[in-house]
Amino acid sequence: SQTIHQWPATLVQPVGSPLSLECTVEGTSNPNLYWYRQAAGRGLQLLFYSVGIGQISSEVPQNLSASRPQDRQFILSSKKLLLSDSGFYLCAWSAAEEGPGRRAFFGQGTRLTVV
Amino acid sequence: GNSVTQMEGPVTLSEEAFLTINCTYTATGYPSLFWYVQYPGEGLQLLLKATKADDKGSNKGFEATYRKETTSFHLEKGSVQVSDSAVYFCALTNTGNQFYFGTGTSLTVIP
Repeated sequence: SQTIHQWPATLVQPVGSPLSLECTVEGTSNPNLYWYRQAAGRGLQLLFYSVGIGQISSEVPQNLSASRPQDRQFILSSKKLLLSDSGFYLCAWSAAEEGPGRRAFFGQGTRLTVV
Repeated sequence: GNSVTQMEGPVTLSEEAFLTINCTYTATGYPSLFWYVQYPGEGLQLLLKATKADDKGSNKGFEATYRKETTSFHLEKGSVQVSDSAVYFCALTNTGNQFYFGTGTSLTVIP
């Protein structure tokens, strides 16, 4: 069966420090991968998605970047965190070959607090 | 383009009350529609889905019917429980690789 792992679960970082959040998927090949941010009391904002190794689409200009060094690994990074980067970050995957009815599977999320 | 609009929350209900959370969408062609649920401190889980017009998705007592004529996918449950307290997201996917989510509706069920 497929599983998605996202870590760390919580993170407190000072302003100006770097960030690296990692997400890995097991039990499937060539998944579509997604990073979302959920600010307090708000909905999901798509940050990045990837349809293959090295292929990253950015949805909003911001202080963050994403990389996909391996087929089932998706990393969210920042060189210098801002207070506004605080939020709940969710990684997700979907099976590219399933067509329009495919579902998204979510990790457990990372609660990032920038202080 | 593609977008989802769902009713603002929060919603507070007494146990065994009837629940409706409204969701409407904008999309070209024939999108698939979803309801996801998020329990506190967790990621999202798929609750139900419908992939074509007039389909009814159902799970755990929740239901939603894909209404193309009104571009809606309202979530309903006849009798809510305390354990249903969570945030509910309506979503769609269309051609392409993206999922489009509504802003979420927080539900609190009180005993």
